[in-house]
Amino acid sequence: EIVLTQSPGTLSLSPGDRATLSCRASQSVSSNYLAWYQQKPGQAPRLLMYGASSRATGIPDRFSGSGSGTDFTLTISRLEPEDFAVYYCQQYGGSVFTFGGGTKVEIK
Amino acid sequence: QVQLQQWGAGLLRPSETLSLTCGVNSGSFNSYSWSWIRQPPGKGLEWIGEINHTENTNYNPSLKSRVSISADSSKKQFSLRLSSVTAADTAVYYCARGRTYYFDSSGHFLRSYYFDSWGQGALVTVSS
Repeated sequence: EIVLTQSPGTLSLSPGDRATLSCRASQSVSSNYLAWYQQKPGQAPRLLMYGASSRATGIPDRFSGSGSGTDFTLTISRLEPEDFAVYYCQQYGGSVFTFGGGTKVEIK
Repeated sequence: QVQLQQWGAGLLRPSETLSLTCGVNSGSFNSYSWSWIRQPPGKGLEWIGEINHTENTNYNPSLKSRVSISADSSKKQFSLRLSSVTAADTAVYYCARGRTYYFDSSGHFLRSYYFDSWGQGALVTVSS
């Protein structure tokens, strides 16, 4: 099973700041099979990115994804108030889905 | 816009069987896979298992001995059963739609696998 490790655990930033979230895999992941989700308190996760760098429908272009192999990054270019949430990466490999432990982006 | 609506018992005693159902209100049922995912209070996400349109199932190895997922395509519903529950199974359970491909910006078909629609979640508590 591929383990995804997200860092940092918590990111304390101000609106307008740039956020860089990391997702590291225990073994190589095809970028086609790497996705990112946003979750706010009391809500279901929402798909942000798929294929490592493709934005889901309705996701603003301040969100971008990159990476390959074992290292992937989600970048939020300028944080808006509604972006403060928990972010999860997810991969599919060997017929199993796994999620990272999440990065919480909180208001500084 | 597809919506997934889920329902089932919210309070169980240890050793009982958890049972949840998810209904798909629009769109094709047979063009996607359908998964269950859970989230213990204050923790991260764990994939439980999936079923596709041919009723092939695939389960998380850590839960495989206790999990069963079934589907009724005529009703656009799929269900989760998790047997012999313990307090460790207390979590919010989500149903989700799995997409297995996409087209890149150049129009090329690419295999993928991600969850593009989620149910509202159902808290299941296991307590004696």
